Amino acid sequence: GQSLEQPSEVTAVEGAIVQINCTYQTSGFYGLSWYQQHDGGAPTFLSYNALDGLEETGRFSSFLSRSDSYGYLLLQELQMKDSASYFCAVRVELYGGSQGNLIFGKGTKLSVKP
Amino acid sequence: DSGVTQTPKHLITATGQRVTLRCSPRSGDLSVYWYQQSLDQGLQFLIQYYNGEERAKGNILERFSAQQFPDLHSELNLSSLELGDSALYFCASSVGDGHSYEQYFGPGTRLTVT
Repeated sequence: GQSLEQPSEVTAVEGAIVQINCTYQTSGFYGLSWYQQHDGGAPTFLSYNALDGLEETGRFSSFLSRSDSYGYLLLQELQMKDSASYFCAVRVELYGGSQGNLIFGKGTKLSVKP
Repeated sequence: DSGVTQTPKHLITATGQRVTLRCSPRSGDLSVYWYQQSLDQGLQFLIQYYNGEERAKGNILERFSAQQFPDLHSELNLSSLELGDSALYFCASSVGDGHSYEQYFGPGTRLTVT
């Protein structure tokens, strides 16, 4: 089976930098995605890492180490609107005919304080 | 707005009943995914369809079934409902089977079973 671990809650102040870690145990691994979900809203795609290294998209960066089965999401210059839940999701092969499906972690609730 | 639509937004029904949730993917997307989100289980992958065919199965109960129609909209049927089926049900779509890492989520259907 698959398992993912990420912290349940993180608190930080506006303007700070926060890192949300994700460790996984899985087979048939293709890559690691990150999604953001505001309370009452739908998850929205943030980033995807298929290869080792850092991917940067504006204030957000995502990192993957396949050998360590580990990744993280880095949020810089935190803003109040970044308060949300952040999910890591491993893309794995569940079915022989599929090119991979997402299995989500339980999410990290980020609270940004003024 | 992701471009994915789901109806109804809310549904309240009694145990033992059957309901149908409907999803229309983004224009041009061929893959549709269904997820169940509850407080204690996070986002659970249920099933994927690609261009009308079932592609992958996750933790979908035998009481649940889905299909994708020729116009690519999808329906999730939940029968013999139990209290524990109360949850938020999301539909998501992606361009193709190989783009499962970047999914666009609809607003969800909140199901309450009483």
